Amino acid sequence: AQSVTQPDIHITVSEGASLELRCNYSYGATPYLFWYVQSPGQGLQLLLKYFSGDTLVQGIKGFEAEFKRSQSSFNLRKPSVHWSDAAEYFCAVGAAGYGNKLVFGAGTILRVKS
Amino acid sequence: NAGVTQTPKFQVLKTGQSMTLQCAQDMNHNSMYWYRQDPGMGLRLIYYSASEGTTDKGEVPNGYNVSRLNKREFSLRLESAAPSQTSVYFCASTFGAQDQPQHFGDGTRLSIL
Repeated sequence: AQSVTQPDIHITVSEGASLELRCNYSYGATPYLFWYVQSPGQGLQLLLKYFSGDTLVQGIKGFEAEFKRSQSSFNLRKPSVHWSDAAEYFCAVGAAGYGNKLVFGAGTILRVKS
Repeated sequence: NAGVTQTPKFQVLKTGQSMTLQCAQDMNHNSMYWYRQDPGMGLRLIYYSASEGTTDKGEVPNGYNVSRLNKREFSLRLESAAPSQTSVYFCASTFGAQDQPQHFGDGTRLSIL
């Protein structure tokens, strides 16, 4: 069965510093991978997705992610964090089989200090 | 742009009461999903409907039922609420192709006393 691990429950970075959020997945074939962001009291918003092609994908709000098959990873990065990036971030993998379901990681809470 | 609309936004129930959470999407999506979100556990799939007229169990279906009323609407029912069902519930929808992202509503915050 598919699974997603986000090793960091909380991360704190200074405004203007770079950011990397880790995501490792377990999947037998080429995965469909997604990063979502959730601001407090809101639903989930798609940041970016990967399903084929270039392993470095660009998303909204200046985020990017790199798919590394050899490491089963799909880490999210941003060169310079803004205070408005404080939120919870979820990595998800598309599950095989009927229904196009998603399997989510537990999430990483990002705190930004000024 | 309404997207995915969930009602109500907040609800407090007593143990044993019943309740239906409503979800509607206006994007002509084929597939709809109900998740619960609990601290440190991410989102877990309760039930889903891959297409109008079908529903299937997800990871944590016990204590819940669903109805796909039509292509737009997908409701989640708690027949006899329990404190363990205190959670934030999210509805999502998608066209159904594997590379298509799911679109989420803003959630229903449910407390059961």
